[in-house]
Amino acid sequence: DIQLTQSPSSLSASVGDRVTITCRASQTISTYLNWFHQKPGKAPKLLIYFAYNLQSGVPSRFSGGPSGTDLTLTISSLQPEDSGTYYCQQSYKTPWTFGQGTMVEIK
Amino acid sequence: QVTLKESGPALVEPAQTLTLTCSFSGFSLTTTGVRVSWIRQPPGKALEWIARIDWDDDKFYATSLKTRLTLSRDTSRNQVALTVSNVDPTDTATYFCARTPPGPSVDPHGHFDYWGQGTLVTVSS
Repeated sequence: DIQLTQSPSSLSASVGDRVTITCRASQTISTYLNWFHQKPGKAPKLLIYFAYNLQSGVPSRFSGGPSGTDLTLTISSLQPEDSGTYYCQQSYKTPWTFGQGTMVEIK
Repeated sequence: QVTLKESGPALVEPAQTLTLTCSFSGFSLTTTGVRVSWIRQPPGKALEWIARIDWDDDKFYATSLKTRLTLSRDTSRNQVALTVSNVDPTDTATYFCARTPPGPSVDPHGHFDYWGQGTLVTVSS
């Protein structure tokens, strides 16, 4: 199975900061990586699919890149509503797998 | 409008079989490229993909759980059922179902664009 390791596990940043979360795969997954945001008690919400593609309705401050084994999610200007946990998920090979999550706190 | 909703027992005793149902609307599981997955999340822990059924009735399971999971579908009722046999307290989790939309080509990759609200299942005597 493909293992996904996210870093950092948690971070605390201020409104307006640029934040980057990395997802490292145990083997190449090309661009078949998706990013989700989850608030407590809620279902995850799709942000980015296939590494770069912004899901409809998601603010443009979210972006993804590049490809291979280390992929990133960047929030260009952190907003209060961006707090929560972020997960990466690969669909390069079944079984599909998730990373362990990155908890984002707003200072 | 695409919606999914999970249903099932809130409490199950150890060693029993758990059956969950995902009822959906706004799409058909017979449309080429459409898939429905089950994802679970133990309290305070990460998401775990556990199973998927595809438009052509292909089924896929998480490696660690495949001996205990069974998927089925009822396309006329727009439902997918997941059974988990021989449950134990480590199966306590919120169980979500989620849709993978069809892509421009039929390939094994995908993402989850719509999710159900999730249903919490506790395994305890």
